[in-house]
Order: sequence, then C-alpha cells, then structure tokens
Amino acid sequence: GESVGLHLPTLSVQEGDNSIINCAYSNSASDYFIWYKQESGKGPQFIIDIRSNMDKRQGQRVTVLLNKTVKHLSLQIAATQPGDSAVYFCAETGTGFQKLVFGTGTRLLVSP
Amino acid sequence: DVKVTQSSRYLVKRTGEKVFLECVQDMDHENMFWYRQDPGLGLRLIYFSYDVKMKEKGDIPEGYSVSREKKERFSLILESASTNQTSMYLCASSPGPLNRWDTEAFFGQGTRLTVV
Repeated sequence: GESVGLHLPTLSVQEGDNSIINCAYSNSASDYFIWYKQESGKGPQFIIDIRSNMDKRQGQRVTVLLNKTVKHLSLQIAATQPGDSAVYFCAETGTGFQKLVFGTGTRLLVSP
Repeated sequence: DVKVTQSSRYLVKRTGEKVFLECVQDMDHENMFWYRQDPGLGLRLIYFSYDVKMKEKGDIPEGYSVSREKKERFSLILESASTNQTSMYLCASSPGPLNRWDTEAFFGQGTRLTVV
C-alpha cells in the first residue's frame, strides 16, 4: 500500500545550524511532493514543493532534494532559527488526483 | 491571504451525540477537504469535495458524512460520536487538483474534538 514515512521523529538542533529532515516514500508513481510545517496550535502550512522530474528545488532558506532511485525526500533548512521549531510533514500525491498521502511528521526543536 | 476558518478550536461531546464541524474558506476554491490528525498516524483524509453538492470518500470515511451546500462551506458530520473519533480535525481547501504543480492546500487551524 501507499505509505510515506519519516526516519526521525524528533530532531534537535542549535540555532544557526543547518537542519535536514528526511522522508521515505513508497509510491514510485507519485508525481508531486510537498513539505508542510505545522506550528503548535495551528494547521499545516505549505513550505515548498517539488515535481518528480526535478532533483532539487530551493526556496528562502529551504531546499528540497528528491532522490527517485531510492524514493527519498529531504528538507534542508539553512541557519535554523527558533521560529523554525515545528512539526514537518512530507506529502506525496497518491493514487487519484485529489489525494495527498502524508507522513507521520518530524518534530524539529531549535535551541538558542 | 487565503483564509480557512474552522468554527471551533475545541469541542467536547458525549458519545452518541450528532456533531457538526464547520469550515469556511474565503478564496472561492473549488476543492475542500477534511482530515483527521492523530499521533503516529499523520493526516488521514476523511472526505473531500470538488464542487458544490459533490463529495468523495477519502481513506477513512466510516462514521462520518459531509455536506457542501455552498462553495465556501464544507461541513463534517459525526452522526453518532464515539470515543475513537476523539482527534484533531483539519479542514483544507485548494483551487484545483492537489497533484497540479501550482496548486497547494491551505489548512484551517484545526478543531480538537474530545468525545467522552
């Protein structure tokens, strides 16, 4: 069946460090991948996305890398700040045009 | 800014009650979604709607129904609430199909429902 998972449930970093959050996906037919950030008491918020015909995409302080060979997705956050503390979810397009399959999430804790 | 508003942040209901969770979006989006979020399970799709009066089952529709009488409003209904429906419920909307490159889902702040 479809599944999207994360290797580390909690990641603790120091302010200023670079953070890397990983995600494994199982559906090789997925065409589109998204990272969401969810702060405490709020709904998920879109961060960055990438299509399957890309290996890398950069945003402001964030980079998403896609390795289709091993079905692996990562989110890199440069110069991590306390405001980056949140739970991060990866999601992939599942079967059916409306379906997003979400991972279980990784909590990022940033210490000052 | 897109705004997706859920009517309640916290709800406590008794087993067997009929529960309505309301969601309103202000960006004229075609698609609306209801997810539940549980620790260790992530977000799971309950129902979605791609047009007024249209609805499609998601992964876990059992025990739920939905209503979309107006484009901006999507209601989730628990016909007879049970304790295993205690969860965080998230509503989302998007302007088009979620697997389209320039489409993203916007989420509400969530409703934490406790069934006792």
